[in-house]
Amino acid sequence: DIQMTQSPSSLSASVGDRVTITCRASQSIGRYLNWYQHKPGTAPKLLIYGASSLQSGAPSRFSGIASGTDFTLTISSLQPEDFAIYYCQQSYSAPWTFGQGTTVDIK
Amino acid sequence: QVDLLQSGAEVRKPGASVKVSCQTSGHTFTKYYIHWVRQAPGQGLEWMGIINPNTGGASYAQRFQGRVTMTSDTSTITLYMELSSLQSDDTATYFCARVSSWYGPMDFWGQGTLVTVSS
Repeated sequence: DIQMTQSPSSLSASVGDRVTITCRASQSIGRYLNWYQHKPGTAPKLLIYGASSLQSGAPSRFSGIASGTDFTLTISSLQPEDFAIYYCQQSYSAPWTFGQGTTVDIK
Repeated sequence: QVDLLQSGAEVRKPGASVKVSCQTSGHTFTKYYIHWVRQAPGQGLEWMGIINPNTGGASYAQRFQGRVTMTSDTSTITLYMELSSLQSDDTATYFCARVSSWYGPMDFWGQGTLVTVSS
């Protein structure tokens, strides 16, 4: 199985901060990497697919890049509605696997 | 618009089974595959399996093999996930999520169904 390792597991930030979350795959997954935002009690939302493509409706402050097996999600200017848990997920091969999640909370 | 409407919360005793439904609307039922993903309390997202609603063909995570069955009903445009031999660590919120291709991103999710396993 492909392991997805996210870091950090949690971070505290202020509104307006630039936030970066990383995800490392245990083997090559090409660009089959997706990022989701999840708020408790709601359905997860797709933010980024194919490592760097912004999902329709997702704010442009979210961006993603890939470098080999390392992937990065950046929030350019954190907004109050961005406090949530973020997950990476590989869709390269079964079994599909998620990172353990990164909790972004208020500093 | 696209909607995946899941059935309501369930409570089961250990050893029982549960069947969660996911009714789709706003898209062509047979053109989108459906994943099932769960989240136990305080834990992350865990992939359970994927089904092709058109053929009924499914692929399951190894840890659920023999215990999970995913089915589709094209007449009611509804997908089902049945999990048997429930234990307390199956207490979780279960989500369905659609993808437009087998290896695509999960672009729409159901609202989740809480399944509680307790004696």
